[in-house]
Amino acid sequence: DVVMTQSPLSLPVTLGQPASISCRSSQSLVYSDGNTYLNWFQQRPGQSPRRLIYKVSNRDSGVPDRFSGSGSGTDFTLKISRVEAEDVGVYYCMQGTHWPPITFGQGTRLEIK
Amino acid sequence: EGQLLESGGGLLQPGGSLRLSCAASGFTFSNYPMTWVRQAPGKGLEWVSGITASDGRTYYADSVKGRFTISRDNSKNTLYLQMNSLRAEDTAVYYCAKVGMATIREGMDVWGQGTTVTVSS
Repeated sequence: DVVMTQSPLSLPVTLGQPASISCRSSQSLVYSDGNTYLNWFQQRPGQSPRRLIYKVSNRDSGVPDRFSGSGSGTDFTLKISRVEAEDVGVYYCMQGTHWPPITFGQGTRLEIK
Repeated sequence: EGQLLESGGGLLQPGGSLRLSCAASGFTFSNYPMTWVRQAPGKGLEWVSGITASDGRTYYADSVKGRFTISRDNSKNTLYLQMNSLRAEDTAVYYCAKVGMATIREGMDVWGQGTTVTVSS
């Protein structure tokens, strides 16, 4: 199975400052159709997960443009340009290229400093 | 966008069985693959099982293969997870989730609120 490794696991950020989360996969996530199936999810405290970004850099409807995704191959990044209070929660990367199974990263907990 | 509502969770002893249900609304259920994802207390997300839209092909995580069965009734807009031979390590919140596009590779764009399964003697 593909192992997804996130860093850092805990991310204290000052309001209004940028934040960056890294996700690395144990194998390239480029699929035979040319797409890279790396997705990002947010889970706010007490809530269900919510998809933010799919296929590396495509934002879901309603996701603020301060969230952006980038990367290729085995190295990916989720960036928040200016952290707001509502961004507190746990962020997960997920690979779908080598499914089954789908695999998630361990999660990165973002908190306000 | 759609809504998903899980039910059927509970407290049971090791070795027991349980069937979870997930009622879908607000989208054409039969057009989309569906999945179950679980989250043990204080832990991360773990994909459990998936089922295709039309032909009902099923897929399982190794941790549940042979014990859990996913199914769907497109006439009732409902997804199921039959859980047998339950173990303490199956204790988790179980989320039903809709696949965003035609392929599960793009992840899940609609999630239910979750139903809690606790396995304990």
